[in-house]
Amino acid sequence: EVQLVESGGGLVQPGRSLRLSCTASGFTFGDDTMSWFRQAPGKGLEWVGFIRSKAYGGTTEYAASVQGRLTISRDDSNSIAYLQMNSLKTEDTALYYCARDRFPATWGQGTLVTVSS
Amino acid sequence: DIQMTQSPSSLSASVGDRVTITCRASQGIRNDLGWYQQKPGKAPKRLIYAASSLQSGVPSRFSGSGSGTEFTLTISSLQPEDFATYYCLQHNTYPYTFGQGTKLEIK
Repeated sequence: EVQLVESGGGLVQPGRSLRLSCTASGFTFGDDTMSWFRQAPGKGLEWVGFIRSKAYGGTTEYAASVQGRLTISRDDSNSIAYLQMNSLKTEDTALYYCARDRFPATWGQGTLVTVSS
Repeated sequence: DIQMTQSPSSLSASVGDRVTITCRASQGIRNDLGWYQQKPGKAPKRLIYAASSLQSGVPSRFSGSGSGTEFTLTISSLQPEDFATYYCLQHNTYPYTFGQGTKLEIK
């Protein structure tokens, strides 16, 4: 069974950093693009970005709203995708989902990030 | 950025009704669009991909159509478990963008 489990969320002050993890199982992680999405409380879904597999260069794409502050990386040996979040803003408060593929069928359950002083 | 205009934003319907939700793209996206269902406290669930292909395991009462700039999701006969929020997502051009969502409620 394909599973994605996010972790690392929590309460953080504006300007600080946080790293989210997405631990995958049930598929060959290294073969797939991994994506991140987010959903602010009571709001709609927003694409954050993704990282391609090594076979496609391991390159990344990001939404303009997070470019330069959020960085996606991957550890294929441990089947983990990361979202490094720097210079956090209050508007980054959201439930963060990782997902398998660019246009995903499989999502994790999400991890909540709250940016507040 | 490609804007996805989804309508209606909310919809009240009864079990057994036929329901249609529309997404319009601000520029052509071929058939690079899908539909998601989200229930409260849950992750989104993909229903339709490539505009009209039914995701495995999704009931056949769900169908998608369209290409270019206009797309529809149709539920042929609403069931109690279908009351949820629905989103379209275009993955033709970065940044990928969602419609604002349609909340489907019980009449």
